[in-house]
Amino acid sequence: EVQLLESGGGLVQPGGSLRLSCAASGFTFSSYAMSWVRQTPGKGLEWVSAISGSGGDPFYADSVKGRFTISRDNSKNTLYLQMSNLRAEDTAVYYCAKDIGVTSYYFDYWGQGTLVTVSS
Amino acid sequence: EIVMTQSPATLSLSPGERATLSCRASQSVRSYLAWYQQKPGQAPRLLIYDASNRATGIPARFSGSGSGTDFTLTISSLEPEDFAVYYCQQRINWPLTFGGGTKVEIK
Repeated sequence: EVQLLESGGGLVQPGGSLRLSCAASGFTFSSYAMSWVRQTPGKGLEWVSAISGSGGDPFYADSVKGRFTISRDNSKNTLYLQMSNLRAEDTAVYYCAKDIGVTSYYFDYWGQGTLVTVSS
Repeated sequence: EIVMTQSPATLSLSPGERATLSCRASQSVRSYLAWYQQKPGQAPRLLIYDASNRATGIPARFSGSGSGTDFTLTISSLEPEDFAVYYCQQRINWPLTFGGGTKVEIK
């Protein structure tokens, strides 16, 4: 059974940093691209970042480019999102999501989400 | 950035009725479009990918159609568990973008 478990969310001040983790199990982690998608409370979905199975080819939304870094450790089956210089508008539930294929960039499994709140 | 526009914002229907949801892209995405369902407090669930392919385990009452800029998600006969918010997503260009969602509510 595929499972994705995010952690690392919390309350952080504007300008601060946070690292999210997503522990994956139930599939061959290194074979699939992974993404982070966020959702502002009560609002829609916004794709944040994606990374290929090998860890190369990271992509970012313009809103986070230069501030967020996606990475993965295939030996630990874990996806990360390092977030820095956080802004109030980064407040959201952050989901990690598994690609349906190698690099299809559709998402067939999602974690339960971790809430990031940026506030002073 | 490709802008995805969904309509209507809210669809009020009764169980057993047919639901037709629309998604329009600001430029062609060919058939590189997915549909997701999201219920309150839950993560999204993939329903349809590549415009018309049902994801694993998705009931046949869900179908997708369209290509280019205009797409439709049809739920042939609404079940009580289908009342939720539905999102479309394109994957032809970076950044990946989602539509704003259509809420299907009980009339």
